[in-house]
Amino acid sequence: KAGVTQTPRYLIKTRGQQVTLSCSPISGHRSVSWYQQTPGQGLQFLFEYFSETQRNKGNFPGRFSGRQFSNSRSEMNVSTLELGDSALYLCASSVGTANTEAFFGQGTRLTVV
Amino acid sequence: DAKTTQPPSMDCAEGRAANLPCNHSTISGNEYVYWYRQIHSQGPQYIIHGLKNNETNEMASLIITEDRKSSTLILPHATLRDTAVYYCIVRASGANNLFFGTGTRLTVIP
Repeated sequence: KAGVTQTPRYLIKTRGQQVTLSCSPISGHRSVSWYQQTPGQGLQFLFEYFSETQRNKGNFPGRFSGRQFSNSRSEMNVSTLELGDSALYLCASSVGTANTEAFFGQGTRLTVV
Repeated sequence: DAKTTQPPSMDCAEGRAANLPCNHSTISGNEYVYWYRQIHSQGPQYIIHGLKNNETNEMASLIITEDRKSSTLILPHATLRDTAVYYCIVRASGANNLFFGTGTRLTVIP
């Protein structure tokens, strides 16, 4: 079956703009989590959505937000972009029940100039 | 979430077993040990997880000590394609967020 699909793969934005990233989970998976990866901070958890509700949230400012649709697809939005938001943004999907593995997409590489 | 400690880097000869250690001395009774790896510029890939018993799948084996304070991931016959950063993660039961540390950069040498 198809894996986790993230679009777009690459994106260049300027400071102050906003951006929306998309994630389509594996069919049947109801949980979608987002992560940010930078050389300095490594992989950091942003938030998790399950059945259209945010279930967990990491320690990121309110400029980072997300949502999940009824078909489990998820989007994350970053407003008022800063240079430090340049990163690889990864989405992971899972069934959503306890102790099930998460499967990651290839990520969206965002560059803020 | 309990923290983990891993060596920053390791080398392994192609065809030999790669043994990657992880220390998780503050692990709680309901926390699982998960292993992921990330090949350059790709998303992390799930490898294996366990609670207290040793586990084996088509990719690797996971050996957890009896006191659960440490574990070892074993790749039985390392290939060049196993070169990656390997992350050991302790995850609370019911939690879906993963806290990645700095991992171990494994280099498989021809």
